Formats: sequence, structure tokens, C-alpha cells
Amino acid sequence: DAKTTQPNSMESNEEEPVHLPCNHSTISGTDYIHWYRQLPSQGPEYVIHGLTSNVNNRMASLAIAEDRKSSTLILHRATLRDAAVYYCILGYYGGSQGNLIFGKGTKLSVKP
Amino acid sequence: DTAVSQTPKYLVTQMGNDKSIKCEQNLGHDTMYWYKQDSKKFLKIMFSYNNKELIINETVPNRFSPKSPDKAHLNLHINSLELGDSAVYFCASSQAPDRAEAFFGQGTRLTVV
Repeated sequence: DAKTTQPNSMESNEEEPVHLPCNHSTISGTDYIHWYRQLPSQGPEYVIHGLTSNVNNRMASLAIAEDRKSSTLILHRATLRDAAVYYCILGYYGGSQGNLIFGKGTKLSVKP
Repeated sequence: DTAVSQTPKYLVTQMGNDKSIKCEQNLGHDTMYWYKQDSKKFLKIMFSYNNKELIINETVPNRFSPKSPDKAHLNLHINSLELGDSAVYFCASSQAPDRAEAFFGQGTRLTVV
């Protein structure tokens, strides 16, 4: 079962920053926080992941709370192409059976 | 070149038939997965293979049988198709089971009539 909670939907204006929240109050010490997104009629696409420290890559930034019970995916300047369902997922590492369990995600709409 | 490719993209078939979905990855990854996305858009993992060995088998009817002839391929065979099998099936791969970045195919939309 998914162990994260996200808002069902969010709206943003084009070229404005977007902050997508995720709660994961039952996160364990070995859980990484992953974000994927799924554009309409496409397969999921990896966005970013982190463990404790904030992370940046070319697509987004990930801000992780100090207690790790929540995180925020930051899109610095939303474009129309960023309209998608964003999934926050806890992934287990350290063994041979890591896998990703997807929840309902947040549907992000971007207005021109 | 598409990193993870699935065929066919669309599959319409009658109840009771047997069908296969093929998946190939050209990324040199060791681990491959099958996910099912139902009408409510929930993505659920079905199987995971690492180096051709099954490592994850979620609660899936045994009508579903994955086959991995080599590391680059993970095919999904479904026997005696039922209406409830209608969904989009995604294949994915990652470098190893414990790597964060998985690459997904475009999906196969299966419709059972």
C-alpha cells in the first residue's frame, strides 16, 4: 500500500513556481523519497529522489523536512508541458527487492 | 532508439483468449518490471526480474506468467483473459533493484471484450 499522502489536484500558472507537497509520516530510516510524473498517455517518468538532504537536478528540486515526515517537489518555472500526475513514492533500498509503490498522485494543471 | 519499448501498444481481444505483451530495454539494465494501471489510474507492481530471476511476485492471478529469455527482455503472457484484466500495462527497467531511477515504456492498453 502507498505510504504517502498527496493532494488530489493542484493548479498553477505558466512560468510560476509550483510546490507539490507530500506527507510520509511513517517513513523509515531506509526509505528514500522518490518523485515520478506521468504525462497524459505516457509511462511514468523519473523526476528526482533523495534521502535526507535537499536535492536539485535539471528538472526540479526536492526539499525534505528535517524529520523526513514530509517533502516538497519544487518546479521552479512551470510550463504547459509540466501538466501531469506527480507521484511521491517511498522506495526501499539496501536489499534485493527494492520496488516502487505508486499512490494516487497529484494532478497538476498548468494554465497559460 | 526507445529505451524501453513494448509491443503492441493497443490490444483488443475476447474473453478467454491467451495473449502476450513483449518488452525490451536497450539500456543494459539488470532489473525489469511489469506494472498494471487500472481504470482508476492506480499503478501496481506485478512482477520484478533481476538478471532473469524473479524477485517480486505480487498477488497476481497465476494466469499471468512473465518470461525473461534474457536480461533485455521481459514478456508478459496472460491466459484465459477476463474482463477485469482490461488495463494499461507498463514495462519498466532499472540498473539494479536498489536504484531509484526506473525507465518506463509507453504502455500497452489491453481491452478485453
